[in-house]
Amino acid sequence: KQEVTQIPAALSVPEGENLVLNCSFTDSAIYNLQWFRQDPGKGLTSLLLIQSSQREQTSGRLNASLDKSSGRSTLYIAASQPGDSATYLCAPEGDKIIFGKGTRLHILP
Amino acid sequence: GAVVSQHPSWVICKSGTSVKIECRSLDFQATTMFWYRQFPKQSLMLMATSNEGSKATYEQGVEKDKFLINHASLTLSTLTVTSAHPEDSSFYICSAFMDSNSYGYTFGSGTRLTVV
Repeated sequence: KQEVTQIPAALSVPEGENLVLNCSFTDSAIYNLQWFRQDPGKGLTSLLLIQSSQREQTSGRLNASLDKSSGRSTLYIAASQPGDSATYLCAPEGDKIIFGKGTRLHILP
Repeated sequence: GAVVSQHPSWVICKSGTSVKIECRSLDFQATTMFWYRQFPKQSLMLMATSNEGSKATYEQGVEKDKFLINHASLTLSTLTVTSAHPEDSSFYICSAFMDSNSYGYTFGSGTRLTVV
């Protein structure tokens, strides 16, 4: 059964810092891995999708890497902004998606 | 890109009534759809998996007679919360999967259910 762990659980940093969010998962038999953000009381916004054959994806200030064999993914956020404040969810995509508890990020102005 | 429409976005109902939530894949055919529930400040918990034309598979601890799932076509799945109670108040969100590596899983925008 897939288990997803995200570290740290919460993070509060000043604006402008570069951040690293970590995700580990136990079942490496995945098709893709997505990173989502969720704002309070809202649905999921897809940030990046990494196919299992890829090692990383980039979109603007976001970069995600995937090491499928070791069950790890990292989301890198450059030059953080207050608008980045949200919960970030890592989603390894196998026959279904099991979510971890996410990382609650708070960027201080 | 793949789009999933979920309706309604919010609903308030009285205890004992039933509520139906719809999840539609707008521009692709979803071989499988998933339903999640999220309580305040908690993560999304998978409730059930449904494949078109077959019975849904429920996760452990989810009452199949209370949460009725119908996946009648490749573009529509419905979740009906029967005899709703205040403890069923939650955020429900669906996800659709197309049998292709390019899209991955696409999520609806969610439904906030409040039972009074």
